[in-house]
Amino acid sequence: QLLEQSPQFLSIQEGENLTVYCNSSSVFSSLQWYRQEPGEGPVLLIALYKAGELTSNGRLTAQFGITRKDSFLNISASIPSDVGIYFCAGKGTYKYIFGTGTRLKVLA
Amino acid sequence: EAQVTQNPRYLITVTGKKLTVTCSQNMNHEYMSWYRQDPGLGLRQIYYSMNVEVTDKGDVPEGYKVSRKEKRNFPLILESPSPNQTSLYFCASSLSTANEQFFGPGTRLTVL
Repeated sequence: QLLEQSPQFLSIQEGENLTVYCNSSSVFSSLQWYRQEPGEGPVLLIALYKAGELTSNGRLTAQFGITRKDSFLNISASIPSDVGIYFCAGKGTYKYIFGTGTRLKVLA
Repeated sequence: EAQVTQNPRYLITVTGKKLTVTCSQNMNHEYMSWYRQDPGLGLRQIYYSMNVEVTDKGDVPEGYKVSRKEKRNFPLILESPSPNQTSLYFCASSLSTANEQFFGPGTRLTVL
């Protein structure tokens, strides 16, 4: 199982919107988006459980693909504290597969 | 405070010297898991446990052992560490497999 995440790196100006994509050839029962700050463990941002589900958490919006193989995370009006590494993680029955991560830089 | 703790946070050791990284959670979570994080590879699951005495392999279990004798603890054991096990290790727990995972602060391991 493989979860391809794009882009790998993203450098944007404060206030811009951004989208991170996650694709797999495998079907997942749920998909989660995490953010990791330097020196810390990942923290859950959004969890998606139903095919086609669109969920928001403040400035963050994510959708689970109809086929349960892909997802995107959108962040609107970015701010400097959004910096970090963003991961998608697909869950099978009991196992998790993480994407390779998107490193975000926000320029003030 | 609800948390996942790991010890030690940093460890430098030599090839072949057995070591254990402890993980403990105080949230009465059933599901616990170990991951390793390497540059460019994201997090890869090593082992997971659905409940006490129930463990199974993740994607990269070779060279590792785990045990789950109590609900709160899930130690990761490296019987004979090798340099390719140099990595950043995270323990995580969740109420069940359907719930959010909470991650520990990480253990940076260097095997010389």
